[in-house]
Amino acid sequence: GAVVSQHPSWVICKSGTSVKIECRSLDFQATTMFWYRQFPKQSLMLMATSNEGSKATYEQGVEKDKFLINHASLTLSTLTVTSAHPEDSSFYICSARLASGSLEQYFGPGTRLTVT
Amino acid sequence: RKEVEQDPGPFNVPEGATVAFNCTYSNSASQSFFWYRQDCRKEPKLLMSVYSSGNEDGRFTAQLNRASQYISLLIRDSKLSDSATYLCVVNIGGGADGLTFGKGTHLIIQP
Repeated sequence: GAVVSQHPSWVICKSGTSVKIECRSLDFQATTMFWYRQFPKQSLMLMATSNEGSKATYEQGVEKDKFLINHASLTLSTLTVTSAHPEDSSFYICSARLASGSLEQYFGPGTRLTVT
Repeated sequence: RKEVEQDPGPFNVPEGATVAFNCTYSNSASQSFFWYRQDCRKEPKLLMSVYSSGNEDGRFTAQLNRASQYISLLIRDSKLSDSATYLCVVNIGGGADGLTFGKGTHLIIQP
């Protein structure tokens, strides 16, 4: 089956620092990857759509200069939370869609970010 | 009105019981529908896609009612391992590929 990995699994950082999260499709190529965020007891919220070789598309209310997305290859997308603040503490999950055009998305295991 | 609404539960049911839950979606242009399962502090995993004609996968049956804009999931002969949060997920299509998630329904199967 389609496997998506994320690194790191969890990270604790100080306010003002930047954190990079990697999302990789391990056994398939993904022209499109998605970044979601989930706060406790809330639903997953789409942050941005990442397309290989082009700029990411951000959802309304998501600051593109704060959440930098790079999709440099068909198997890797990165999300950098710049100048993190405690309110950015959340569960960040990426997903990838098979390049074949299937609508099904496969999720990474998520990254739990805590900003102190 | 929220885009995808679910009863958060929790639903406490005995092992072996049959349980069903619904969700409603607000965007009539929605094209694809899914049920995902999420265990505590884990990522969502696709349980099944939902088709207009209804579909079954083992003990799980999903139904879609486009006219009323609701989706259902039925679990028969529930197992302890079915305890999880079940997420109703919608894709509106038309170039918007991201998924819209409900908050989930928390199911607890009791021995």
